[in-house]
Formats: sequence, structure tokens, C-alpha cells
Amino acid sequence: ILNVEQSPQSLHVQEGDSTNFTCSFPSSNFYALHWYRWETAKSPEALFVMTLNGDEKKKGRISATLNTKEGYSYLYIKGSQPEDSATYLCASYNQGGKLIFGQGTELSVKP
Amino acid sequence: GAGVSQTPSNKVTEKGKYVELRCDPISGHTALYWYRQSLGQGPEFLIYFQGTGAADDSGLPNDRFFAVRPEGSVSTLKIQRTERGDSAVYLCASSSHGVSGVWNEQFFGPGTRLTVL
Repeated sequence: ILNVEQSPQSLHVQEGDSTNFTCSFPSSNFYALHWYRWETAKSPEALFVMTLNGDEKKKGRISATLNTKEGYSYLYIKGSQPEDSATYLCASYNQGGKLIFGQGTELSVKP
Repeated sequence: GAGVSQTPSNKVTEKGKYVELRCDPISGHTALYWYRQSLGQGPEFLIYFQGTGAADDSGLPNDRFFAVRPEGSVSTLKIQRTERGDSAVYLCASSSHGVSGVWNEQFFGPGTRLTVL
């Protein structure tokens, strides 16, 4: 994998549903994996920075896992709420200091 | 504690015009980054400053794009002879760069939405 890929591109769920998205990234020369939450007209907000294989991080109803050997990370949202509606971006940090972003997953949570 | 700010928030211009986009990073952050997000895509790296100097400008698409950071704080992204394809959200981020190649978290501004008619 040469690029950072995210799936699905968009997701529509009902309030209360749990959901998850995938981020695939180059496993060679891996340094760190970032997850961001981006609401329209606001700044992208950092959710997690993950560096170690097998890492699991949690913030409230949102959690993420990391597999650096196979080059993927999952983001989970438990009991989605309308305020979770946003674009979720993952980005791989390489040794050159650049963040390489995926195209994002646009989540819409209907009340 | 002010975050990263960007001005203007929206800019509409005509094809062929010159535009400047400004970024005010978090005070004390030595590293500053510019990204561009086109419709349906993730943010794409443009240029990275460490202090006053451009440490990596490999993402600038062509010589119409130029960025400066003369005093190591505020940065301006300049686009000459704008084209319709330049329409995008331009994001700025800053970070405190640690020693020994430690890359710290980047804090983003809200972006400038550029529309070239």
C-alpha cells in the first residue's frame, strides 16, 4: 500500500448505532498514526496518536486500535450521537515529518 | 490559549488573480505546515517550515505557489495567476518540534476556503 486509504467513504447511521471505520497505511517506515475529527467550518481535532503495534486508545465512546505489521487501524464509535457527525481522517506520519492523510470517512448520525 | 488561526476564512477570486492566505500558529511552535484539501479528498501536504526556513516544499504543485515565514511565526501562502483547479480548503497546522526527530502532534487551523471563478 503506497497511500493511506480509508473506508467507507461515507456512512449514515441512526442514533444509538455503533459503527467502525478502517484506515490502511504503508507498514514500512511507519512512525505514527493519527486520527482526526473534522466538523464543517471548524479545525480538525486530534482524537488519537498511535505508535505501538497492538495499541488501543479510548476517549469516551470512541476508541481505536492499531496494527503496524499489517498496516491498518480501526476507529470505533459506540452508541453514535448526532454530535458525532463529522469527517473522520486518519493520517500516517512518516520519518520525513509529513502527515499523509486518507480521504476521510464522512459520518452522518440521524436522530 | 489561542489556537491556530487563519485568515480569511473564505476567499472568492477570479481566474488569473493573485491571492494571499495567512496563518497565525500557536505561539512558540517552531514547525508550521500548509495542506490543501480538494473536494472528496483528504488534506494533501504542501510545505513545511522549521523556524523561518522551508524544510520541505516538495508538495507545492508548481511555481505559482509560494510560502514565506519571515519571522518564524506568521506564514503567508501566496498563489499567483490562480486557476479554477486551485479551489480548495487550505489548512495550516503548527507543532512544537522536539529534538532527535521527534514529530509532535500538529494543531490545525479552521482553514481558508478558496474559490476561483
